[in-house]
Amino acid sequence: DAKTTQPNSMESNEEEPVHLPCNHSTISGTDYIHWYRQLPSQGPEYVIHGLTSNVNNRMASLAIAEDRKSSTLILHRATLRDAAVYYCILRPTGSARQLTFGSGTQLTVLP
Amino acid sequence: DAGITQSPRHKVTETGTPVTLRCHQTENHRYMYWYRQDPGHGLRLIHYSYGVKDTDKGEVSDGYSVSRSKTEDFLLTLESATSSQTSVYFCAITLDRGPGELFFGEGSRLTVL
Repeated sequence: DAKTTQPNSMESNEEEPVHLPCNHSTISGTDYIHWYRQLPSQGPEYVIHGLTSNVNNRMASLAIAEDRKSSTLILHRATLRDAAVYYCILRPTGSARQLTFGSGTQLTVLP
Repeated sequence: DAGITQSPRHKVTETGTPVTLRCHQTENHRYMYWYRQDPGHGLRLIHYSYGVKDTDKGEVSDGYSVSRSKTEDFLLTLESATSSQTSVYFCAITLDRGPGELFFGEGSRLTVL
C-alpha cells in the first residue's frame, strides 16, 4: 500500500499562512489524496481531498504537485483553533481496503 | 455526521478479561474500520471490513478479533486484554465509491489494569 511521509511537527504564528507538506512518492494513478485533522480529545475529521488539480474549500486549500508525488495543505490564516494533528493519506478509487495513517504533523499555532 | 456511534466510550478492565467494543452505523456503508491511537504512533489500523462477514487484518491485528454479522455493526474483541492494549480506539466508515472521505466515531478509551 502506498505510504505518506509528513514532518512530525510544525509551528506557525496566528493569522499567518501555514503550508503542511506530504510526500507520497509511490502514489498510483487512481489514488485520491486526503487530508484529515484531529483536534485534542476528538476523532479525526475530514479536511479536503484531491486527485490531480488544486482544490479549495472553506477550511483549506490543497496544492498537488504536477507529478502527484507530493502535496501541500494550505491554511490561509492560522487560528488557535487550527492547532491539531494533520494527516495525509492516500485513498484508492474503487477499493477502500487498508486505509492506513501515518503519525501526521502536529501543528502548533502561536498567539 | 455519518451516524457512527461507539460503545462503550470509556472502559476500565483487568488484564486477562475479554472486552468487546461496538461500532454502530446507521447508513449501511460497506467499509468499516477499527483503529487504535497511542501517543507517538498516530492512528494504526487494527482490522477492517468490506461487507457482512468480510473482514481482514490491518497492521496491528495481533490480540484482536472482529465480527460483522450485520451491515450496521462492527465489533472489536480483545479475547484476553493486556496492558499494551490500553489505548483509544476509533471506528470509521467510508463511502463505497469515489473519493469517499472517512468519517470517524468519537472514540472508546480503554484502560487495562
